[in-house]
Amino acid sequence: RKEVEQDPGPFNVPEGATVAFNCTYSNSASQSFFWYRQDCRKEPKLLMSVYSSGNEDGRFTAQLNRASQYISLLIRDSKLSDSATYLCATGGGNKLTFGTGTQLKVEL
Amino acid sequence: DTAVSQTPKYLVTQMGNDKSIKCEQNLGHDTMYWYKQDSKKFLKIMFSYNNKELIINETVPNRFSPKSPDKAHLNLHINSLELGDSAVYFCASTPGSADSTQYFGPGTRLTVL
Repeated sequence: RKEVEQDPGPFNVPEGATVAFNCTYSNSASQSFFWYRQDCRKEPKLLMSVYSSGNEDGRFTAQLNRASQYISLLIRDSKLSDSATYLCATGGGNKLTFGTGTQLKVEL
Repeated sequence: DTAVSQTPKYLVTQMGNDKSIKCEQNLGHDTMYWYKQDSKKFLKIMFSYNNKELIINETVPNRFSPKSPDKAHLNLHINSLELGDSAVYFCASTPGSADSTQYFGPGTRLTVL
């Protein structure tokens, strides 16, 4: 089993839709959780950290479920500019392990 | 601009050659990394240095040798390049300590012919 698993997609959604991604992790000792966004041929960029209590940043909501060992990302009112690959990452100390990403395509 | 920078951005070379990629960060971070992202988009950690000391080495072939002259620089030298080394190599840095957020450089796209 991979340490961090994501559905690769693609998720094709119309503009304005709400879309959710999940990411499961196998290391129960993981302490840090993140969502990164990666555009084609670019570097991953931090979208948001994921806190135990859940957190929201504008149209983006991230949640952590330690019991079931998954994190989720909810995007409301999708924009064309949200089209990208979303990578989850978990870890602790100096090491993060990344998932292979979920591709999102937002269409007119 | 405060950032993680890498050179070169693109590198095309023949099998068997030796090449280097350079990385610099001016974020004042203590920990730097090299990642490899292959054609399947899997982002895999290769090495990590904390304040010039190697702290993570993820069973990478010894043809890959990182060097950190100071905590703001982490270079990657690759000997005897092979076709399978073709990938995008990302440098990253993190504040470390309680914050493990990673900040990535723009990547170096290596193509081995």
